[in-house]
Amino acid sequence: GAVVSQHPSRVICKSGTSVKIECRSLDFQATTMFWYRQFPKKSLMLMATSNEGSKATYEQGVEKDKFLINHASLTLSTLTVTSAHPEDSSFYICSASGTSGRAFTNEQFFGPGTRLTVL
Amino acid sequence: GQQLNQSPQSMFIQEGEDVSMNCTSSSIFNTWLWYKQDPGEGPVLLIALYKAGELTSNGRLTAQFGITRKDSFLNISASIPSDVGIYFCAGTGANSKLTFGKGITLSVRP
Repeated sequence: GAVVSQHPSRVICKSGTSVKIECRSLDFQATTMFWYRQFPKKSLMLMATSNEGSKATYEQGVEKDKFLINHASLTLSTLTVTSAHPEDSSFYICSASGTSGRAFTNEQFFGPGTRLTVL
Repeated sequence: GQQLNQSPQSMFIQEGEDVSMNCTSSSIFNTWLWYKQDPGEGPVLLIALYKAGELTSNGRLTAQFGITRKDSFLNISASIPSDVGIYFCAGTGANSKLTFGKGITLSVRP
């Protein structure tokens, strides 16, 4: 249980185009979803937190118009990187938490990540 | 902001050896978590700790929540090749957000 999927797993796009990444909770309802960004050999940096039906809360320094987040249902959140540039190339990981985790309440379950490469 | 410190960046051990990893912070954390990340994958929770002084085991893994609430360690005993990966400590503090350390890349020589 508590499986989170991401699609696509890898995407390559041209500079200036927009890319949408989906994050789904497959067997539980995710009241909150999180989007992280990870550079090679670096830590996970929280980009934004979204609650179902509400606007996302972005971390300081993250452009909300650049990284559009939609959490329209309890099982799906999307991250759209708009007008992508090479510096947006990174590993994007989502996580989801519901009302009860396995180890503790509000435990975050992570997706497998999406590797974005912008040419 | 809240920061978690992990060092060294990489560790190299022989198969069968035990290894210990530390995580420290200048801030108090209410929850300490240890994750493992394989290449190209998301992190997977290994052990969760939510009480100062707590010592928890998960198979060959043992982790402790420091009494000061500013540190934690993870021990892996009798390492095997599939233990290779990046080990992150993470924690939630006053703001309830999950903060990650920089991770330690573990290599196991057969």
